Amino acid sequence: DAKTTQPNSMESNEEEPVHLPCNHSTISGTDYIHWYRQLPSQGPEYVIHGLTSNVNNRMASLAIAEDRKSSTLILHRATLRDAAVYYCILRRGGSNYKLTFGKGTLLTVNP
Amino acid sequence: EAQVTQNPRYLITVTGKKLTVTCSQNMNHEYMSWYRQDPGLGLRQIYYSMNVEVTDKGDVPEGYKVSRKEKRNFPLILESPSPNQTSLYFCASSLEASSSYNEQFFGPGTRLTVL
Repeated sequence: DAKTTQPNSMESNEEEPVHLPCNHSTISGTDYIHWYRQLPSQGPEYVIHGLTSNVNNRMASLAIAEDRKSSTLILHRATLRDAAVYYCILRRGGSNYKLTFGKGTLLTVNP
Repeated sequence: EAQVTQNPRYLITVTGKKLTVTCSQNMNHEYMSWYRQDPGLGLRQIYYSMNVEVTDKGDVPEGYKVSRKEKRNFPLILESPSPNQTSLYFCASSLEASSSYNEQFFGPGTRLTVL
């Protein structure tokens, strides 16, 4: 799977929007962009995914650059429960649905 | 409630004593997988299964065995555990293996310590 680059850590205040960036300059045309998060002492949790168009769901929004070489996960109003490590993962279709987790971004939310 | 369950959640054992970590999902998922998570190394895949009776090695399979006799269960077996298998283990499942957009559901994790 192609490589992604994320900041090691970010900080936000409660109730404010958070924009988590991800660079994936070697993305191929068939790669889906997935975001997962891992709350303290829990297993990873799916957040959102997209291919080309921006996506919204109840948890977050995903903004994908026109050239698809970068994307941004948007949490519209951060809460203390959003403090977690956020992983940006490229997923290519194939016979093994392996998720290749990088180091991710540790998001701290201040009250 | 749709979920992936793992047992035990915590286990301390000694070198060489065979153990099994169970994983079960109630979502009729075809695909199941085991990962281990270690500080600085992230999550790495150990084994995966595309469907019943179909299993294959992931990135770090040495020292582990799996089986998939039923769709819902995917146990991880350590025949002779060693201290370097001390880790946090996650089981995961997904509806289909070949789709690039299906989300993967993870269990709560099993923290294993091998003395």
